[in-house]
Amino acid sequence: AQSVTQLGSHVSVSEGALVLLRCNYSSSVPPYLFWYVQYPNQGLQLLLKYTSAATLVKGINGFEAEFKKSETSFHLTKPSAHMSDAAEYFCAVSQSGGYNKLIFGAGTRLAVHP
Amino acid sequence: DAGVIQSPRHEVTEMGQEVTLRCKPISGHDYLFWYRQTMMRGLELLIYFNNNVPIDDSGMPEDRFSAKMPNASFSTLKIQPSEPRDSAVYFCASSLYDRVYGYTFGSGTRLTVV
Repeated sequence: AQSVTQLGSHVSVSEGALVLLRCNYSSSVPPYLFWYVQYPNQGLQLLLKYTSAATLVKGINGFEAEFKKSETSFHLTKPSAHMSDAAEYFCAVSQSGGYNKLIFGAGTRLAVHP
Repeated sequence: DAGVIQSPRHEVTEMGQEVTLRCKPISGHDYLFWYRQTMMRGLELLIYFNNNVPIDDSGMPEDRFSAKMPNASFSTLKIQPSEPRDSAVYFCASSLYDRVYGYTFGSGTRLTVV
C-alpha cells in the first residue's frame, strides 16, 4: 500500500528565506506525486506534480520539487519565501491500480515572518 | 470552466437536523470524491464515485452519512441526523480517470452543528 509522510506539521521561515517542506512516500510501483496548497478558508489547489517525466518539477508561485527515487522523497522548495506563501501544504501519492485515488499526507503549515 | 462548485459555503444547523451538501464536478470528469477536513483528523476521504457509481465508501463514518450521484453533474452528501462532532469542512473534488491529472477541489462547505 502507498503512503505519504510529511515531516514537520509546522514550519516557520522569514520572508526571503528558503522554504523546504519535506515529503517521503512509500510505494511498490512508480508513483505519481503531487503537492497541493490550501490557503485559509479555501479548497486545495494543485501546486505541482511528478508524473515520471523530469525529476525536477516546477510549479506555480516559484515552487519546485525534486523526485528522488533513492531517497523516496519529493521535497518542496522555494528559494525566497513571500508573505503570501503562508498556507498549508499537502503532499499526495497516487495509488496504483485501476482507480484514481490520491493518498494525502497530514499537511505542513507554513508560516512566513517579516 | 467554473471548476468544482459546492453549495452551500456555510451551513449552521441544530443537532438532529438533516443536512445536505451539494457538489457539481467539472464537466467531463469521471471521478468524484468527498473529503472531510478537521483539525484533529486532517483530510479524510469519505467516499468516491467513478462514472456515478460508488466505488469505495469505507471512509463514511456512520450510517448517518450517505452520498449519491444521480448523474454526472451532481452529487450530494447527506447527514441525518447531524451531531456536533460532524462539524467540519467538507470538500468535493473531481478528476479524470488518468491519475496524472490529480484532483480539482471545490471551495468546501463549512458545517457547524450546534
